[in-house]
Amino acid sequence: DTAVSQTPKYLVTQMGNDKSIKCEQNLGHDTMYWYKQDSKKFLKIMFSYNNKELIINETVPNRFSPKSPDKAHLNLHINSLELGDSAVYFCASSQRTSGRGSGANVLTFGAGSRLTVL
Amino acid sequence: AQSVAQPEDQVNVAEGNPLTVKCTYSVSGNPYLFWYVQYPNRGLQFLLKYITGDNLVKGSYGFEAEFNKSQTSFHLKKPSALVSDSALYFCAAHGGNDMRFGAGTRLTVKP
Repeated sequence: DTAVSQTPKYLVTQMGNDKSIKCEQNLGHDTMYWYKQDSKKFLKIMFSYNNKELIINETVPNRFSPKSPDKAHLNLHINSLELGDSAVYFCASSQRTSGRGSGANVLTFGAGSRLTVL
Repeated sequence: AQSVAQPEDQVNVAEGNPLTVKCTYSVSGNPYLFWYVQYPNRGLQFLLKYITGDNLVKGSYGFEAEFNKSQTSFHLKKPSALVSDSALYFCAAHGGNDMRFGAGTRLTVKP
């Protein structure tokens, strides 16, 4: 039973289109993330949601809009796709705790969604 | 702001030899440090983490990492490499609200 699942796994589309990537986790975690991995394998955080509330919003074009209908889902919608958006997008989740050691929570990643913009 | 550096893009070792994948960090406060592994077409998988206590941390698949505060390093090690260890390895540090990753090191273990 997949812990963090992303759909679609592959997405090929034309410049200017709008697309969405969905993510669901069945781990009962309260925090979810979107990471972007570029062609050089560099991994960069884009967004983080805790209990449906946005807590991290890195310098990402506003064409990218995350949506969290509930704490088990974090979807990523991208408007007006550009060539530079081509990458692998990873969803992840963790259980956020407070106090000492609260930063030690392990992230569980999905298998990734490879977006290719032509 | 925290940052993580992995100085080597590529590490090649022969099967059976010890391996080291290097990582240095810059984190304010107590560092929470992690290693993840990524196999082709897969998401990252957790290997091990350091929170506090013993500087030598043992993790999955026979890997271990040594926390060195004076050198701000957290190198990943394994006494005897396997061909199946070939993958992309990421060091990460947690600070504030999020996990920051290094650029990754590709480990190739040759038979």
